[in-house]
Amino acid sequence: NAGVMQNPRHLVRRRGQEARLRCSPMKGHSHVYWYRQLPEEGLKFMVYLQKENIIDESGMPKERFSAEFPKEGPSILRIQQVVRGDSAAYFCASSPPEDYEQYFGPGTRLTVT
Amino acid sequence: AQSVTQPDIHITVSEGASLELRCNYSYGATPYLFWYVQSPGQGLQLLLKYFSGDTLVQGIKGFEAEFKRSQSSFNLRKPSVHWSDAAEYFCAVGAIAGNQFYFGTGTSLTVIP
Repeated sequence: NAGVMQNPRHLVRRRGQEARLRCSPMKGHSHVYWYRQLPEEGLKFMVYLQKENIIDESGMPKERFSAEFPKEGPSILRIQQVVRGDSAAYFCASSPPEDYEQYFGPGTRLTVT
Repeated sequence: AQSVTQPDIHITVSEGASLELRCNYSYGATPYLFWYVQSPGQGLQLLLKYFSGDTLVQGIKGFEAEFKRSQSSFNLRKPSVHWSDAAEYFCAVGAIAGNQFYFGTGTSLTVIP
């Protein structure tokens, strides 16, 4: 059983461009979480999704950020019009229903130039 | 409000010495507690977790942690540190399935020969 997969692992964008981060959960996992890790900080929750539903987006910035987890395919975290402050590592985690443990992917490191 | 505090930003120990990393939490419900390790540029690897039962839990790589409800603590310990243990360590707290994890800001461990 492959682990949580994220791609790309590294992404460089110029200010004003769009960034799309993908997360494929582990097989059988229907819950996906996105976290952001700024330099020298811990992980901060952004959003929790189930298939075709956003359950909790209390950690998402109000503008420019969106997330989806379609019926088919990976979960996507989308950042529009990126700014330098968006530079961070973005981690995805997944869990099956009724499981307290979250399994983390390797992360996508976004650099905005 | 839910929070996790890791009081030690950086710790240096000699190889072979014992280690204790501190973690205190504030959580309104019964907490589920986790320790993760992150090597530079890598994702998070679960070291151990506590859900219920015996308050002393054993993890991978020779780590253990003790849950002390009265002190709201979940300190991580290892009797003899190896050079390969140098990494960033994160404590996290969660609750029922589907809730976000709250992470501490991490403790950076340096191991000197």
